[in-house]
Amino acid sequence: KAGVTQTPRYLIKTRGQQVTLSCSPISGHRSVSWYQQTPGQGLQFLFEYFSETQRNKGNFPGRFSGRQFSNSRSEMNVSTLELGDSALYLCASSLEGGRYEQYFGPGTRLTVT
Amino acid sequence: GQSLEQPSEVTAVEGAIVQINCTYQTSGFYGLSWYQQHDGGAPTFLSYNGLDGLEETGRFSSFLSRSDSYGYLLLQELQMKDSASYFCAVPSGGGADGLTFGKGTHLIIQP
Repeated sequence: KAGVTQTPRYLIKTRGQQVTLSCSPISGHRSVSWYQQTPGQGLQFLFEYFSETQRNKGNFPGRFSGRQFSNSRSEMNVSTLELGDSALYLCASSLEGGRYEQYFGPGTRLTVT
Repeated sequence: GQSLEQPSEVTAVEGAIVQINCTYQTSGFYGLSWYQQHDGGAPTFLSYNGLDGLEETGRFSSFLSRSDSYGYLLLQELQMKDSASYFCAVPSGGGADGLTFGKGTHLIIQP
């Protein structure tokens, strides 16, 4: 069974631009969670989607948004990029109720200049 | 909200045993998970404790005491490949599957 895939793997953007990242979960997994990882703040929860509905959101500004499609694929969007948004963005999928065992993708490395 | 505390770095010798502690504060408790992340890699699930006691998976064991809001990950017969960061995590709440992670413990293994 294929793992979680994320595209693109690397991205360089300029401050003020916006970016969209994509995540395809493991087949059969309907929950997708997004995380931001930085050296200073560690792994921080952004939001979680299940059946196209956002069920929970972390403590991030409204510039961070996401959505999930009927095939469980998910996208996250960051508008008006700031230098501090430079990070590794990870998505993870799980079976419903599988909150303890999540399967992570390789991440998208975003650099904002 | 949820918060977890774990040491930032632990050093151990190859072949030895090491324990990584995690204390947590949560609104409601739904279990403690542990993840491993190698440099440049993605986090991978190691173990989960929903009830008090010890869970063993090969060389790795995890312990939970709900009354003390405390857990630990025990790694035995350390190998160089165990050099990685280890994170404890709890559900972020709201009935969702997202996790709140500790800041991670960087395990350094010396020959």
